[in-house]
Formats: sequence, structure tokens, C-alpha cells
Amino acid sequence: IQLTQSPSSLSASVGDRVTITCRASQGISSFLAWYQQKPGKAPKLLIYAASTLQSGVPSRFSGSGSGTDFTLTISSLQPEDFATYYCQQFDTYPLTFGGGTKVEIK
Amino acid sequence: QVQLQESGPGLVKPSETLSLTCTVSGDSISSDYWSWIRQPPGKGLEWIGYVYYSGSPNYNPSLRSRVTISVDTSKNQFSLKLTSVTAADTAVYYCARLMGSGIFDYWGQGTLVTVSS
Repeated sequence: IQLTQSPSSLSASVGDRVTITCRASQGISSFLAWYQQKPGKAPKLLIYAASTLQSGVPSRFSGSGSGTDFTLTISSLQPEDFATYYCQQFDTYPLTFGGGTKVEIK
Repeated sequence: QVQLQESGPGLVKPSETLSLTCTVSGDSISSDYWSWIRQPPGKGLEWIGYVYYSGSPNYNPSLRSRVTISVDTSKNQFSLKLTSVTAADTAVYYCARLMGSGIFDYWGQGTLVTVSS
């Protein structure tokens, strides 16, 4: 299953609302997760089952969608949120990731 | 707190075998699924495969012919072997705990393996 993220990069300011999209090549129900990766670090799980926030993740992060179209929203971008975000499907093996969306400072 | 730590050579020659070990602390290797993921420099993430302490491993078809993932319960470790490596296998290799649902909740820090003569 191929996952296509858009945009591949974006520039935003602190306080902005940011939305990232992930589209699956076939329906995956709600079997989608989102990860945040900062330079030189391992990815960190943010959201799973499309909309369930992982323990300890700030509530400004939210996820939605089902089937083939999903979104990750950051309601008010904070300085520590500048990173690359990946979606991952766990509906079917092999597990696959999207190509990533880099969120940069405007 | 679950912690994972990768170890192994940072440089491997073309056509040779890449071997990495992941040491797990804070959890029993027999309790969960364990996985390897890699990330070429400046690129995205690729799942390599997973292992459970019992049962057959599950590998990405793109690498299946060259990959072996195994578990050592006595050391609370699991390992990756990738044969016949080329420059395309140069990447940061991560080990991670794979929840039964198919998501990765704990990750190692990653280790860069460069394939070069």
C-alpha cells in the first residue's frame, strides 16, 4: 500500500494552524499512525488508529480520516514542532510509510 | 521505561553482510514483537521486518531474500543480518518495538551503516 503525503514541505509561523495530508493507494480503514522526527533523532509516535493521541503528546496535535484520506493537524504551531512528519499504515503487510512532510520556520 | 540500543559496525564492504544487534531493557523480549526499520540519508523510512520470540519472522518482500531477523531471549536482544549489501543499503538502521496492532511505540536512537570499500 502506497502512502502519499502532501505537501512534501511547508513553511509556517509559530501559532499557525498546520494541516498535513496522507492519501493511501487503497482503503486502510483507520489503520494509520503519525510520527514526528527531528534531525538526528528517531521518529516519535504521535497518533495511531487515525485519531488516537499517544500518551504524553500535546493536545494541539490531532488526526482524522478513514479509508484513503487522512489528515494531521497542529492547531497552534510551537517552536518544538518544527520537524518532519510521517504517516504509516498498519492495515496490510508490508508496513509502509509516507514520504514525509517537513515543517519549517517561516 | 522501555529502551532499545542498536550496536554493530558502522562500515561494511560491498557484497558483505551487515549485522546489527538491538539490546532491549525495561521489557522482556518474549513479550512483544520487535522490528527493524531503516532510513537512507535524507530519505524516508522503510520497514525491514519483525520477529517474535516464537513463530516465523515477517519480512518486507523487497528485502526478503537477503534478510534474517532473530531473537536471543537469554540476552534480551534481537538481531538483523542483511547479506550482499550495496551502496543502496547505506542508511540509519533503527530497532523498534512493534505493537501487535502494527505501530512502533519505542525506538532505538539509530545507527548509521555505510556500505563502502
